[in-house]
Amino acid sequence: DTEVTQTPKHLVMGMTNKKSLKCEQHMGHRAMYWYKQKAKKPPELMFVYSYEKLSINESVPSRFSPECPNSSLLNLHLHALQPEDSALYLCASRKSPTNEKLFFGSGTQLSVL
Amino acid sequence: GESVGLHLPTLSVQEGDNSIINCAYSNSASDYFIWYKQESGKGPQFIIDIRSNMDKRQGQRVTVLLNKTVKHLSLQIAATQPGDSAVYFCAEARYNQGGKLIFGQGTELSVKP
Repeated sequence: DTEVTQTPKHLVMGMTNKKSLKCEQHMGHRAMYWYKQKAKKPPELMFVYSYEKLSINESVPSRFSPECPNSSLLNLHLHALQPEDSALYLCASRKSPTNEKLFFGSGTQLSVL
Repeated sequence: GESVGLHLPTLSVQEGDNSIINCAYSNSASDYFIWYKQESGKGPQFIIDIRSNMDKRQGQRVTVLLNKTVKHLSLQIAATQPGDSAVYFCAEARYNQGGKLIFGQGTELSVKP
């Protein structure tokens, strides 16, 4: 299994909603990432989990709350988002936090109304 | 500030020709580089990587060249096919930043039949 699986693929939410994005990998990877990508732009790093601990938070607003329940799962909890938060949210993983291949999921396309 | 960037936002080539996509980076401490291909509606797909102790690495129809003197990275695609049409991102990993992957702006490759 060499996949990073993200659900849902598409999500539409209002500014008062609470929702969660989910990411799963079964490659035994111990570093997991959340990226945000706007159309025609490169992915921007949001969070890094290393060995299930949050190691990097790129000054992301608190309306985005990551969670790593175990070494295979990564969640991104969303609350009180703004329309400008509409984007493709990508999960990625790699064997360790050091310089190795980073594998991406297909992303969740989020629209905030 | 420091960044990884690409020289051209778009590149159009004839099917069967070779493609060259360029990337410049600014941090001489970077020690790992990756090229990704991203098709519409999908996550970035790993193409090839190279470490800073190498100048060249070849894969199937792709070659990555690294020139540390001028901090330049390139991706060569041989015999470009319509299926190669996508946005290509270079990315740079800086070991002293916990393995953060910094993406360049991307080049959109169009292959004309």
